[in-house]
Amino acid sequence: QQQVKQSPQSLIVQKGGISIINCAYENTAFDYFPWYQQFPGKGPALLIAIRPDVSEKKEGRFTISFNKSAKQFSLHIMDSQPGDSATYFCAASGGYQKVTFGTGTKLQVIP
Amino acid sequence: NAGVMQNPRHLVRRRGQEARLRCSPVKGHSHVYWYRQLPEEGLKFMVYLQKENIIDESGMPKERFSAEFPKEGPSILRIQQVVRGDSAAYFCASSPADGNSPLHFGNGTRLTVT
Repeated sequence: QQQVKQSPQSLIVQKGGISIINCAYENTAFDYFPWYQQFPGKGPALLIAIRPDVSEKKEGRFTISFNKSAKQFSLHIMDSQPGDSATYFCAASGGYQKVTFGTGTKLQVIP
Repeated sequence: NAGVMQNPRHLVRRRGQEARLRCSPVKGHSHVYWYRQLPEEGLKFMVYLQKENIIDESGMPKERFSAEFPKEGPSILRIQQVVRGDSAAYFCASSPADGNSPLHFGNGTRLTVT
C-alpha cells in the first residue's frame, strides 16, 4: 500500500517536444505529491508539488496533473530542452508517513 | 542560508572498516531522512529520524547499520564492517516537519568499498 509506481523508466524526447511521466499510488492517506529532479552527481531537488485539492498546477514549463479518483498524477514538461535531461522522481507522503518515491524516469532531450 | 551539507563527498573504505557519513540539515529542520542510491537506480529509503528519535528504520539492514540524530550536531549514518555491496551513494534529506513538507537533499556521500 506504500508503493508509488512510476513510468516510463526512460524517455527520449526531441527538443521542443512534450515529456510526460506518470505515477500511480495506492495509499489514500497520501496528501502531498512532489516531483524531484536529479542531475548526475547531485542530490534530488524539488521541482514542483501538488496537493489533492487541485487537479492541476503549473510552474513555467512544468505542469502536474492530478486525478484523485484514479490515484494518478503526472508531470508534463512543455517545450523540453536539453538542459531538462535528468532523472525525475515522483513522490507521495502524508501526515506522519514517510515520503515514498517512485523508481525514477531518466529523461534525455535530444537536439 | 546553507542547504543540507553532507560530508565527506567521497569515502573509500577497505572491507571490514567502518564508514561514518555525516549530514547537517537545513538550519531549523528537525526531520532527517537517509536514502541509498545505486548507479542508474532509484532512491531506496533507509531511515527517518527526528531529533533524538528514530521514527522509521524499516529500510535499514538490521546488521551493521545504525543512524542517529542527536539533539546537538549532525545526523550520522554508521556502517560497521563494510562489504563491497555497501558501495553506493548515500543521500541525506531534511524537512521542517513530517509528511507533507518538501525534502531538501544534500549532494550525497559516495562510498566505495575496496
